Amino acid sequence: DAGVIQSPRHEVTEMGQEVTLRCKPISGHNSLFWYRQTMMRGLELLIYFNNNVPIDDSGMPEDRFSAKMPNASFSTLKIQPSEPRDSAVYFCASSSVYEQYFGPGTRLTVT
Amino acid sequence: AQSVTQLGSHVSVSEGALVLLRCNYSSSVPPYLFWYVQYPNQGLQLLLKYTSAATLVKGINGFEAEFKKSETSFHLTKPSAHMSDAAEYFCAVSESSGDKLTFGTGTRLAVRP
Repeated sequence: DAGVIQSPRHEVTEMGQEVTLRCKPISGHNSLFWYRQTMMRGLELLIYFNNNVPIDDSGMPEDRFSAKMPNASFSTLKIQPSEPRDSAVYFCASSSVYEQYFGPGTRLTVT
Repeated sequence: AQSVTQLGSHVSVSEGALVLLRCNYSSSVPPYLFWYVQYPNQGLQLLLKYTSAATLVKGINGFEAEFKKSETSFHLTKPSAHMSDAAEYFCAVSESSGDKLTFGTGTRLAVRP
């Protein structure tokens, strides 16, 4: 199994631009999670889906952030417009029963 | 609401010494508990998990953890540290299978030669 796949691995963009992060979960997993990691705030859960349905989006910072899961094998996290304070590493994880399996992350830099 | 407290944001040990990373949890129901490790510029990797079976859980790379309900603890140990163990370690709690994890703030382990 290839594990959780995230793209791009690195993204550098200018303030005000739209950013889309992509995630392919492990086949057969029915839960998908988006996290953000920064030095100041640590690891934060942004949103999670179960069977493609958003269950808890209370961690999404503001309306500039949106996430979709159109099918069981793909999810996106979009930031529009991006701001420098969005600079972080964004992780996607998937799970089937107990533990979550993490992708390698997308390092986002907004200048 | 569930929460996790990791005592000590930085721990330093000598190579060959005992590793002890502390984790205390709070949960309104019997918890599921996890330890993850993160190496520089990588994602989190599961070390071990407790899911209400044996209270002493063995994981990868020689790590183990013991669930102590009376102390609400799930400390991570390894008898002999290796240089390759230098990383950041996260304790996490969940209240049901497939549910979200609540992570601690992490403990960075340094191993001295």
